[in-house]
Amino acid sequence: GQNIDQPTEMTATEGAIVQINCTYQTSGFNGLFWYQQHAGEAPTFLSYNVLDGLEEKGRFSSFLSRSKGYSYLLLKELQMKDSASYLCAVREWEGGSYIPTFGRGTSLIVHP
Amino acid sequence: EAGVAQSPRYKIIEKRQSVAFWCNPISGHATLYWYQQILGQGPKLLIQFQNNGVVDDSQLPKDRFSAERLKGVDSTLKIQPAKLEDSAVYLCASSLREPAGGRPLGTQYFGPGTRLTVL
Repeated sequence: GQNIDQPTEMTATEGAIVQINCTYQTSGFNGLFWYQQHAGEAPTFLSYNVLDGLEEKGRFSSFLSRSKGYSYLLLKELQMKDSASYLCAVREWEGGSYIPTFGRGTSLIVHP
Repeated sequence: EAGVAQSPRYKIIEKRQSVAFWCNPISGHATLYWYQQILGQGPKLLIQFQNNGVVDDSQLPKDRFSAERLKGVDSTLKIQPAKLEDSAVYLCASSLREPAGGRPLGTQYFGPGTRLTVL
């Protein structure tokens, strides 16, 4: 089983930088994903980390520390359209397959 | 490339009634997932298929929920009988089968979901 924790809600200003943290406890860690979900829509993939360090993709970066069970998603140059829920998901290798578990999500509100 | 298709998009039923949802994954995706997402929460994995076999269904309430993927392509999820607490969005996702220990060949691609309201 897994325990994934992320803040419920965050607010930030357009043009600023925001960091969304995710901590997890798992017995068979095999990768961490970040998804973006706009209200009323399906989640869409943002990033994936399996090794320690930073993965950068445009305005979004994701960091992982496996020893600390910790990840963050960094959003730069915030835009109004970045207002959404950000889901941290951890997958385990179990019984010959990858099993994913999602956190509750962090609702990000970007204001002018 | 066509995405994951789901139907219906919305469904309203009364408690104790039955309901079925349908999902057609992206062509070639061996793995199919059904999630339940209650308002304000993250998706909860109900069942995961690899081709037509069940990989994980540990969180599926088997007394009322059932799912099948008979030919290893499309899938149906059924609730019988429904309870008020089943009101949620039911998301279907698919992905390529990944080699053990490797980087993912592809992430999960989600369908638009079915919003179920149980009255």
